[in-house]
Amino acid sequence: RKEVEQDPGPFNVPEGATVAFNCTYSNSASQSFFWYRQDCRKEPKLLMSVYSSGNEDGRFTAQLNRASQYISLLIRDSKLSDSATYLCVVRNTGGFKTIFGAGTRLFVKA
Amino acid sequence: DAMVIQNPRYQVTQFGKPVTLSCSQTLNHNVMYWYQQKSSQAPKLLFHYYDKDFNNEADTPDNFQSRRPNTSFCFLDIRSPGLGDAAMYLCATSPSAVTYNEQFFGPGTRLTVL
Repeated sequence: RKEVEQDPGPFNVPEGATVAFNCTYSNSASQSFFWYRQDCRKEPKLLMSVYSSGNEDGRFTAQLNRASQYISLLIRDSKLSDSATYLCVVRNTGGFKTIFGAGTRLFVKA
Repeated sequence: DAMVIQNPRYQVTQFGKPVTLSCSQTLNHNVMYWYQQKSSQAPKLLFHYYDKDFNNEADTPDNFQSRRPNTSFCFLDIRSPGLGDAAMYLCATSPSAVTYNEQFFGPGTRLTVL
């Protein structure tokens, strides 16, 4: 079993749609959680950190469920520019061990 | 602008010919990481430096080495590249070991092995 697993993609959605991604992690000692965005052939960039109480940034909402060991990302009112791969990232105790999920590809179409 | 810079952006080498990739940062971060990312796969952590302390991931092949001569620079040496080492190599930095710190990535070096 992979340490971080994400929804298989790709997701193909129309503009304006709401789309949700899930991610599960296997190490209960994991401490910090993030969503990164990676455009084709570019480097990953932080989209948002995920806090225990859940957090929102504009059209993006992240949730953490420690009991079930999963993280979610909700994108409302999808834009063409949201088309990218979304990577779930988990950092374990000690701060250095960073594990990326394989990513979920999103295509938003006009 | 403060940033993470990687050179070259594209590197072509021959099977078995040593190659060095470089990373520099103007963020003055203590921690520098090297990741390998193959097509459609997750970035995989190879090793990191916390200041001068080097930490190798358990499954990083011996073929991969790293040097950090100062805070700003870090190098990835591939001693004898194989066809399976063709990938994007990403350098990243973070301010410290605190788990909630964001990692800042460079644009990557895409390595081709002929």
